[in-house]
Amino acid sequence: EDQVTQSPEALRLQEGESSSLNCSYTVSGLRGLFWYRQDPGKGPEFLFTLYSAGEEKEKERLKATLTKKESFLHITAPKPEDSATYLCAVRRSRSGANNLFFGTGTRLTVIP
Amino acid sequence: NAGVTQTPKFQVLKTGQSMTLQCAQDMNHEYMSWYRQDPGMGLRLIHYSVGAGITDQGEVPNGYNVSRSTTEDFPLRLLSAAPSQTSVYFCASSYLGVDYGYTFGSGTRLTVV
Repeated sequence: EDQVTQSPEALRLQEGESSSLNCSYTVSGLRGLFWYRQDPGKGPEFLFTLYSAGEEKEKERLKATLTKKESFLHITAPKPEDSATYLCAVRRSRSGANNLFFGTGTRLTVIP
Repeated sequence: NAGVTQTPKFQVLKTGQSMTLQCAQDMNHEYMSWYRQDPGMGLRLIHYSVGAGITDQGEVPNGYNVSRSTTEDFPLRLLSAAPSQTSVYFCASSYLGVDYGYTFGSGTRLTVV
Protein backbone atom coordinates (compact mmCIF):
# COMPACT_ATOMS: atom_id res chain seq x y z
CA GLU A 1 0.00 0.00 0.00
CA ASP A 2 1.27 3.45 -0.93
CA GLN A 3 2.17 5.69 1.98
CA VAL A 4 3.33 9.26 2.41
CA THR A 5 4.43 10.12 5.95
CA GLN A 6 5.45 13.57 7.07
CA SER A 7 7.40 14.35 10.22
CA PRO A 8 7.30 16.01 12.59
CA GLU A 9 3.58 16.77 12.83
CA ALA A 10 4.40 20.15 14.32
CA LEU A 11 7.60 22.18 14.66
CA ARG A 12 8.29 25.39 16.55
CA LEU A 13 11.40 27.35 15.62
CA GLN A 14 12.92 30.59 16.78
CA GLU A 15 13.38 33.14 14.03
CA GLY A 16 16.69 32.37 12.33
CA GLU A 17 16.84 28.77 13.59
CA SER A 18 17.28 26.54 10.54
CA SER A 19 15.68 23.08 10.37
CA SER A 20 14.31 20.41 8.04
CA LEU A 21 10.93 18.82 7.43
CA ASN A 22 10.78 15.21 6.30
CA CYS A 23 8.52 13.41 3.83
CA SER A 24 9.09 9.68 3.53
CA TYR A 25 7.24 7.73 0.89
CA THR A 26 6.53 4.17 -0.12
CA VAL A 27 5.10 4.40 -3.61
CA SER A 28 5.25 2.13 -6.59
CA GLY A 29 6.11 4.05 -9.71
CA LEU A 30 6.88 7.56 -8.45
CA ARG A 31 6.25 10.15 -11.13
CA GLY A 32 6.97 13.23 -9.08
CA LEU A 33 7.07 14.54 -5.52
CA PHE A 34 5.42 17.87 -4.76
CA TRP A 35 5.68 20.35 -1.90
CA TYR A 36 2.90 22.79 -1.04
CA ARG A 37 2.47 25.48 1.59
CA GLN A 38 -0.94 26.01 3.24
CA ASP A 39 -1.87 29.03 5.34
CA PRO A 40 -4.81 28.77 7.77
CA GLY A 41 -8.16 29.09 6.01
CA LYS A 42 -6.62 28.99 2.55
CA GLY A 43 -5.95 26.48 -0.19
CA PRO A 44 -2.47 24.97 -0.62
CA GLU A 45 0.06 26.92 -2.68
CA PHE A 46 2.48 25.07 -4.96
CA LEU A 47 6.18 25.29 -4.06
CA PHE A 48 8.26 22.60 -5.82
CA THR A 49 8.21 19.46 -7.95
CA LEU A 50 11.05 16.92 -7.75
CA TYR A 51 11.36 13.97 -10.12
CA SER A 52 14.53 12.01 -9.47
CA ALA A 53 16.88 11.14 -6.61
CA GLY A 54 19.53 13.77 -6.15
CA GLU A 55 17.42 16.60 -7.48
CA GLU A 56 17.27 19.86 -5.52
CA LYS A 57 15.17 23.01 -5.91
CA GLU A 58 15.32 26.31 -4.06
CA LYS A 59 13.02 29.24 -3.45
CA GLU A 60 14.05 32.02 -1.09
CA ARG A 61 14.71 30.36 2.30
CA LEU A 62 13.39 26.94 1.21
CA LYS A 63 15.30 24.10 -0.42
CA ALA A 64 13.74 20.76 -1.32
CA THR A 65 15.77 17.60 -1.89
CA LEU A 66 14.83 14.09 -2.97
CA THR A 67 16.24 10.61 -2.34
CA LYS A 68 14.80 7.24 -3.33
CA LYS A 69 12.85 7.00 -0.07
CA GLU A 70 12.30 10.52 1.22
CA SER A 71 12.29 14.22 0.58
CA PHE A 72 13.46 17.02 2.84
CA LEU A 73 12.31 20.61 2.94
CA HIS A 74 15.15 22.63 4.44
CA ILE A 75 14.29 26.02 5.90
CA THR A 76 17.24 28.34 6.33
CA ALA A 77 17.02 31.25 8.80
CA PRO A 78 13.21 31.17 8.92
CA LYS A 79 11.07 34.24 9.48
CA PRO A 80 7.64 34.43 11.15
CA GLU A 81 6.02 34.71 7.71
CA ASP A 82 7.24 31.18 6.97
CA SER A 83 4.75 29.88 9.54
CA ALA A 84 2.34 27.58 7.72
CA THR A 85 1.53 23.92 7.16
CA TYR A 86 3.79 22.29 4.59
CA LEU A 87 2.29 19.44 2.59
CA CYS A 88 4.08 16.74 0.64
CA ALA A 89 2.36 14.83 -2.19
CA VAL A 90 3.32 12.18 -4.74
CA ARG A 91 2.14 11.42 -8.23
CA ARG A 92 2.01 7.69 -8.86
CA SER A 93 2.28 5.90 -12.18
CA ARG A 94 -0.91 3.91 -11.50
CA SER A 95 -2.94 7.05 -10.75
CA GLY A 96 -4.97 8.72 -13.43
CA ALA A 97 -3.98 12.00 -15.03
CA ASN A 98 -2.44 14.51 -12.66
CA ASN A 99 -3.78 12.97 -9.46
CA LEU A 100 -1.77 13.49 -6.27
CA PHE A 101 -1.60 11.50 -3.02
CA PHE A 102 -0.98 13.76 -0.02
CA GLY A 103 0.67 13.39 3.35
CA THR A 104 -0.89 14.93 6.45
CA GLY A 105 1.51 17.86 6.67
CA THR A 106 3.91 19.52 9.09
CA ARG A 107 2.65 22.60 10.92
CA LEU A 108 5.53 25.06 11.25
CA THR A 109 5.50 27.96 13.70
CA VAL A 110 8.33 30.49 13.63
CA ILE A 111 8.55 32.61 16.77
CA PRO A 112 9.94 36.16 16.52
CA ASN B 1 -6.93 36.63 -13.53
CA ALA B 2 -9.04 35.15 -10.73
CA GLY B 3 -7.51 31.65 -10.69
CA VAL B 4 -9.82 29.07 -9.06
CA THR B 5 -13.02 30.39 -7.52
CA GLN B 6 -15.05 28.31 -5.08
CA THR B 7 -18.48 29.14 -3.73
CA PRO B 8 -19.84 29.16 -1.09
CA LYS B 9 -17.06 29.64 1.48
CA PHE B 10 -19.18 28.26 4.32
CA GLN B 11 -22.28 26.07 4.36
CA VAL B 12 -24.35 24.27 6.99
CA LEU B 13 -26.62 21.46 5.82
CA LYS B 14 -29.05 19.19 7.55
CA THR B 15 -28.65 15.44 7.14
CA GLY B 16 -30.33 14.33 3.94
CA GLN B 17 -30.22 17.68 2.18
CA SER B 18 -28.49 18.04 -1.17
CA MET B 19 -26.36 20.86 -2.46
CA THR B 20 -23.82 21.81 -5.11
CA LEU B 21 -20.37 23.23 -4.44
CA GLN B 22 -19.27 25.44 -7.30
CA CYS B 23 -15.78 25.63 -8.81
CA ALA B 24 -14.68 27.78 -11.73
CA GLN B 25 -11.25 28.46 -13.20
CA ASP B 26 -10.19 30.99 -15.83
CA MET B 27 -6.77 29.58 -16.74
CA ASN B 28 -7.94 27.17 -19.46
CA HIS B 29 -6.68 24.22 -17.42
CA GLU B 30 -7.67 20.81 -18.76
CA TYR B 31 -7.43 19.03 -15.39
CA MET B 32 -9.76 19.80 -12.49
CA SER B 33 -10.30 17.91 -9.25
CA TRP B 34 -12.06 17.94 -5.91
CA TYR B 35 -10.33 17.08 -2.63
CA ARG B 36 -11.60 16.95 0.90
CA GLN B 37 -9.38 17.80 3.85
CA ASP B 38 -10.02 16.33 7.28
CA PRO B 39 -7.89 16.66 10.43
CA GLY B 40 -5.18 14.01 10.58
CA MET B 41 -6.07 12.56 7.18
CA GLY B 42 -4.60 14.90 4.63
CA LEU B 43 -6.18 15.80 1.33
CA ARG B 44 -8.13 12.98 -0.32
CA LEU B 45 -9.23 12.92 -3.94
CA ILE B 46 -12.99 12.71 -4.54
CA HIS B 47 -13.43 13.10 -8.31
CA TYR B 48 -11.41 14.48 -11.16
CA SER B 49 -11.73 15.49 -14.81
CA VAL B 50 -9.25 15.74 -17.68
CA GLY B 51 -11.52 17.76 -19.94
CA ALA B 52 -15.08 18.72 -20.77
CA GLY B 53 -17.31 15.67 -20.77
CA ILE B 54 -14.74 13.44 -19.02
CA THR B 55 -14.88 12.63 -15.30
CA ASP B 56 -13.58 9.83 -13.11
CA GLN B 57 -13.60 8.72 -9.49
CA GLY B 58 -10.86 9.31 -6.96
CA GLU B 59 -10.23 7.67 -3.58
CA VAL B 60 -13.44 8.69 -1.80
CA PRO B 61 -16.22 9.19 -4.39
CA ASN B 62 -19.21 7.74 -2.52
CA GLY B 63 -21.99 10.25 -1.90
CA TYR B 64 -20.70 12.74 -4.47
CA ASN B 65 -21.38 13.41 -8.14
CA VAL B 66 -19.59 15.63 -10.64
CA SER B 67 -20.02 16.79 -14.21
CA ARG B 68 -17.85 18.83 -16.56
CA SER B 69 -19.88 20.51 -19.28
CA THR B 70 -17.33 23.27 -19.91
CA THR B 71 -13.58 23.65 -19.45
CA GLU B 72 -14.13 26.34 -16.83
CA ASP B 73 -16.64 24.75 -14.44
CA PHE B 74 -16.52 21.61 -12.29
CA PRO B 75 -19.36 21.48 -9.74
CA LEU B 76 -19.48 18.91 -6.94
CA ARG B 77 -22.90 17.64 -5.89
CA LEU B 78 -23.71 16.12 -2.52
CA LEU B 79 -26.69 13.88 -3.14
CA SER B 80 -27.91 13.30 0.44
CA ALA B 81 -25.65 14.94 3.00
CA ALA B 82 -24.36 12.91 5.93
CA PRO B 83 -22.41 14.05 9.02
CA SER B 84 -19.40 12.11 7.67
CA GLN B 85 -19.26 14.62 4.83
CA THR B 86 -18.44 17.44 7.23
CA SER B 87 -15.10 18.64 5.89
CA VAL B 88 -13.26 21.36 4.02
CA TYR B 89 -13.53 20.91 0.26
CA PHE B 90 -10.93 22.16 -2.19
CA CYS B 91 -11.12 22.43 -5.93
CA ALA B 92 -7.82 22.32 -7.84
CA SER B 93 -6.84 22.71 -11.47
CA SER B 94 -3.75 22.39 -13.63
CA TYR B 95 -2.56 21.86 -17.18
CA LEU B 96 -2.30 18.23 -18.21
CA GLY B 97 1.19 16.83 -18.59
CA VAL B 98 2.89 20.02 -17.38
CA ASP B 99 4.04 19.79 -13.82
CA TYR B 100 3.57 23.28 -12.53
CA GLY B 101 1.48 21.92 -9.69
CA TYR B 102 -2.13 22.54 -8.89
CA THR B 103 -3.80 25.88 -8.41
CA PHE B 104 -6.20 25.47 -5.49
CA GLY B 105 -9.31 27.40 -4.64
CA SER B 106 -9.76 28.88 -1.18
CA GLY B 107 -12.04 26.07 -0.02
CA THR B 108 -15.59 25.48 1.16
CA ARG B 109 -16.12 24.62 4.81
CA LEU B 110 -19.14 22.32 5.01
CA THR B 111 -20.87 21.24 8.21
CA VAL B 112 -23.60 18.60 8.13
CA VAL B 113 -25.77 18.46 11.24
